[in-house]
Amino acid sequence: SQTIHQWPATLVQPVGSPLSLECTVEGTSNPNLYWYRQAAGRGLQLLFYSVGIGQISSEVPQNLSASRPQDRQFILSSKKLLLSDSGFYLCAWIPINYGYTFGSGTRLTVV
Amino acid sequence: AQSVSQHNHHVILSEAASLELGCNYSYGGTVNLFWYVQYPGQHLQLLLKYFSGDPLVKGIKGFEAEFIKSKFSFNLRKPSVQWSDTAEYFCAVNAWDTGRRALTFGSGTRLQVQP
Repeated sequence: SQTIHQWPATLVQPVGSPLSLECTVEGTSNPNLYWYRQAAGRGLQLLFYSVGIGQISSEVPQNLSASRPQDRQFILSSKKLLLSDSGFYLCAWIPINYGYTFGSGTRLTVV
Repeated sequence: AQSVSQHNHHVILSEAASLELGCNYSYGGTVNLFWYVQYPGQHLQLLLKYFSGDPLVKGIKGFEAEFIKSKFSFNLRKPSVQWSDTAEYFCAVNAWDTGRRALTFGSGTRLQVQP
């Protein structure tokens, strides 16, 4: 079966600290992968998407970066977190039938 | 670029009332349309989707949505809501011919159903 894993579920980090969120998918190959962020009281915003290993497209200039070191792995990073990076981060992938699937999310609080 | 508007930010209904949540998008080309629901403490789940064909789409848990191309709308409806429908609802669109295959979401509508 096709599944998506995202961790950690909750993270509290101080301002200026680094960040690494990981997302992996199983049961498929060469998926399109996406990172979204949901800020408090707002909708979901697309941050990055990747159509293959090493291929990253950035939607919004910001303090974050993404990498795709393996076919089924997608990583969201930051060298120095800002308060404004707080939010709920979701990884998603798109199977051939367009049934978008989301991970369970990571709630990041920058303090 | 495409955008999605959900004009109802917070809706409060009593059980058994009918529901209609508005969703309008802006994009002149071919679109795929989605409604997602996020129950308290849970992750996003797909309610229903429209790709082509019958503009009236039926989803899970008694929800349906109607695609009206001339109005650029994809409103979500349910004839009789239940307390368990309390959640946040997101409309989303994918501009199919851009090749980007990413979703653009509305800001969401928080539905509160009172028993």
